[in-house]
Amino acid sequence: AQKITQTQPGMFVQEKEAVTLDCTYDTSDPSYGLFWYKQPSSGEMIFLIYQGSYDQQNATEGRYSLNFQKARKSANLVISASQLGDSAMYFCAMREGGSSASKIIFGSGTRLSIRP
Amino acid sequence: NAGVTQTPKFRILKIGQSMTLQCTQDMNHNYMYWYRQDPGMGLKLIYYSVGAGITDKGEVPNGYNVSRSTTEDFPLRLELAAPSQTSVYFCASSPLTGLSSYNEQFFGPGTRLTVL
Repeated sequence: AQKITQTQPGMFVQEKEAVTLDCTYDTSDPSYGLFWYKQPSSGEMIFLIYQGSYDQQNATEGRYSLNFQKARKSANLVISASQLGDSAMYFCAMREGGSSASKIIFGSGTRLSIRP
Repeated sequence: NAGVTQTPKFRILKIGQSMTLQCTQDMNHNYMYWYRQDPGMGLKLIYYSVGAGITDKGEVPNGYNVSRSTTEDFPLRLELAAPSQTSVYFCASSPLTGLSSYNEQFFGPGTRLTVL
């Protein structure tokens, strides 16, 4: 069964510093995709970045990058030059391939707070 | 496009009452999902659907029912409301299966349900 683990319930970071949010996953399927979503205090879910299990390079989207270590089954989100607006909950999610490709499972989230 | 819409935005139920949470998407997506998010927690998959007439259980299906008679609509039914079902409910849709960033989930704004 697929599983997503986020071990950091909360983090405080100084503005303009880089921050890494941890995500480990467990799956027996060689084909899978990993997503990161941001949830600000307003409650909506905002898609940030995606990494496929067969992608050769780590995904990047602006200030977001994904440190994908396949052998360690980790997919950490890196936010460079953090901003006050980055304060939010961040969720890691996984979709397996094959017959389970329609199911997407989320981790418990990390609450990131940016200090001015 | 309105995207994914959910009604109502807020609802208070008494124990034992029933209600249907509505979800509609206008993006012609095949895949639709229902999640619940308890305070300070991650999203738990309740049910999902891969197309009209096809539904399947997620991680926490007990106490809920779904139907998918059209591509656009995916209502969630609570038959006998319990305090443990107090949560924020998110509906989401996804265009395709497979492993690609283009298959991200699009979320509705959520329904905040309180059972007293």
